[in-house]
Amino acid sequence: EAQVTQNPRYLITVTGKKLTVTCSQNMNHEYMSWYRQDPGLGLRQIYYSMNVEVTDKGDVPEGYKVSRKEKRNFPLILESPSPNQTSLYFCASSRQPNEKLFFGSGTQLSVL
Amino acid sequence: AQSVAQPEDQVNVAEGNPLTVKCTYSVSGNPYLFWYVQYPNRGLQFLLKYITGDNLVKGSYGFEAEFNKSQTSFHLKKPSALVSDSALYFCAVRDTGYSTLTFGKGTMLLVSP
Repeated sequence: EAQVTQNPRYLITVTGKKLTVTCSQNMNHEYMSWYRQDPGLGLRQIYYSMNVEVTDKGDVPEGYKVSRKEKRNFPLILESPSPNQTSLYFCASSRQPNEKLFFGSGTQLSVL
Repeated sequence: AQSVAQPEDQVNVAEGNPLTVKCTYSVSGNPYLFWYVQYPNRGLQFLLKYITGDNLVKGSYGFEAEFNKSQTSFHLKKPSALVSDSALYFCAVRDTGYSTLTFGKGTMLLVSP
């Protein structure tokens, strides 16, 4: 089954403790991206990747890192999480940027 | 810069009636426009997209959207609403030459029986 898999589904952590949210797709997609969803703000793009080893900032990249060492994986790294990064995070992929995105199920992150 | 606006936080409609969810955009080049739907406690699902061609785009679950270049709008429509259409709807835009995708704030659609 074609899918984007995110883990974990829920995560509670404390300020400053490094964490990684994993994202993997099995569709051989070139394009992958991360979004955060906050009430009243919709979805905002954090980072995106056009291909392996090619990543770029979205609209809200501060406090986040990504890597794309393999085509299928695109982890999101928070090296020193802060409470304002409490949010619902989505990973998504598509063949090309103009094509439809396939979204993961989301990761609800709470930073205390 | 690119931007998208969904002027209504919530749209209420009775089952069987037509529905419209509004979206306007701003780009400097040509727009690529998308609609996505988010059901409760689920990820987002693609509904339809406009790249070029016919101004009326047909998508999943009986939804369609009309691209209007002069009004810079891309409203989502359905002739007859179902209770199961109740969800959060997002419009998104990408300008030519950009790789980022900008989403609107979302519109909650509530269809009453």
